[in-house]
Amino acid sequence: SQTIHQWPATLVQPVGSPLSLECTVEGTSNPNLYWYRQAAGRGLQLLFYSVGIGQISSEVPQNLSASRPQDRQFILSSKKLLLSDSGFYLCAWSPRAGQWETQYFGPGTRLLVL
Amino acid sequence: GDSVTQMEGPVTLSEEAFLTINCTYTATGYPSLFWYVQYPGEGLQLLLKATKADDKGSNKGFEATYRKETTSFHLEKGSVQVSDSAVYFCALSVNTGNQFYFGTGTSLTVIP
Repeated sequence: SQTIHQWPATLVQPVGSPLSLECTVEGTSNPNLYWYRQAAGRGLQLLFYSVGIGQISSEVPQNLSASRPQDRQFILSSKKLLLSDSGFYLCAWSPRAGQWETQYFGPGTRLLVL
Repeated sequence: GDSVTQMEGPVTLSEEAFLTINCTYTATGYPSLFWYVQYPGEGLQLLLKATKADDKGSNKGFEATYRKETTSFHLEKGSVQVSDSAVYFCALSVNTGNQFYFGTGTSLTVIP
């Protein structure tokens, strides 16, 4: 069966510090991968998605970036965090090339920027 | 463009009450429709889905019917429990891309 991992679960970082959140998927190959952010009291905002190694599409201009160094690894980064980067970050995957496929979410990383 | 609109919360109900959370969509293709649930402090879990018009998705006592004529996918449950307290997200995916579109979420609190 497929499993998606995210870490860390919780992170408190000072403004201006760098960020690296990692997401890995097990039990599947060639998944589509996604990063979402959920700000307090708000819905899901798609940040990035990837259809393959090194292929990243950005949905929202911001000081975050994403990378996919391996097929089942998706990393969210920032060089300098802002207060507004606080939120709940969710990684998700879906099977490649198929309509009506479901997205499967990881447990999330709660980020607090102080 | 493609989008989902769901009723704003928060919604507070007594145990055993009837639940409806409205969701309407706009899509250029032939979307699949989903309801996801997020329990406190956790990621999203798929609750149910429907892939074509008139399909009914169901799970854990929740139901939603894909209505093409009204472009709706309302979530219903006949008798809610305290354990149903969560945030519910309506979502769609279309066959023209790799993306999902989520509604803003509806917070449900069920009180004993």
